[in-house]
Amino acid sequence: EAQVTQNPRYLITVTGKKLTVTCSQNMNHEYMSWYRQDPGLGLRQIYYSMNVEVTDKGDVPEGYKVSRKEKRNFPLILESPSPNQTSLYFCASTRFSTRGELFFGEGSRLTVL
Amino acid sequence: KQEVTQIPAALSVPEGENLVLNCSFTDSAIYNLQWFRQDPGKGLTSLLLIQSSQREQTSGRLNASLDKSSGRSTLYIAASQPGDSATYLCAVSNNDMRFGAGTRLTVKP
Repeated sequence: EAQVTQNPRYLITVTGKKLTVTCSQNMNHEYMSWYRQDPGLGLRQIYYSMNVEVTDKGDVPEGYKVSRKEKRNFPLILESPSPNQTSLYFCASTRFSTRGELFFGEGSRLTVL
Repeated sequence: KQEVTQIPAALSVPEGENLVLNCSFTDSAIYNLQWFRQDPGKGLTSLLLIQSSQREQTSGRLNASLDKSSGRSTLYIAASQPGDSATYLCAVSNNDMRFGAGTRLTVKP
């Protein structure tokens, strides 16, 4: 089954404790992206990757890091989480940059205390 | 910078009604427009993708239209059902992808 898989789905952590949210897709998609969704602000792009070893900042990259060492994986790293990073995070992928149909993961709800 | 607006923010209708959701965007130079459904606390499910060269797409009771020149798209839902209750988002792509804030639809039995 074609899918985008995120882990963990739910996480409660404390300020400053490094964490990684994994994202994996099994559709051989070139383009992958991370979004955060907050009430009243909608979906905002954090980082995106056009292909392996190619990443770029979205609208709200501060406090986040990403890497794309393999085509299927695109982890989101919070080196020192802060409470303002409490949010619902989505990973998405599409075959060809922004021209194709976008597939989303189920989301990861992160709470930073 | 592309801006995407969805009106209304919320809509409540009785079961069986036909309804239209609206999406407008400011830059007509787009690759495609996509409609998504999001259930509470869940991910986004793609409903319809309209390429820039197309005028409409249909899937079951859903029909989406695109008018690039006026910067508008509509999602038509026929014979609405309680199971259609969700938030509907549109997204427009050119060099990046921009999302509207969504319309929260409630279909009452």
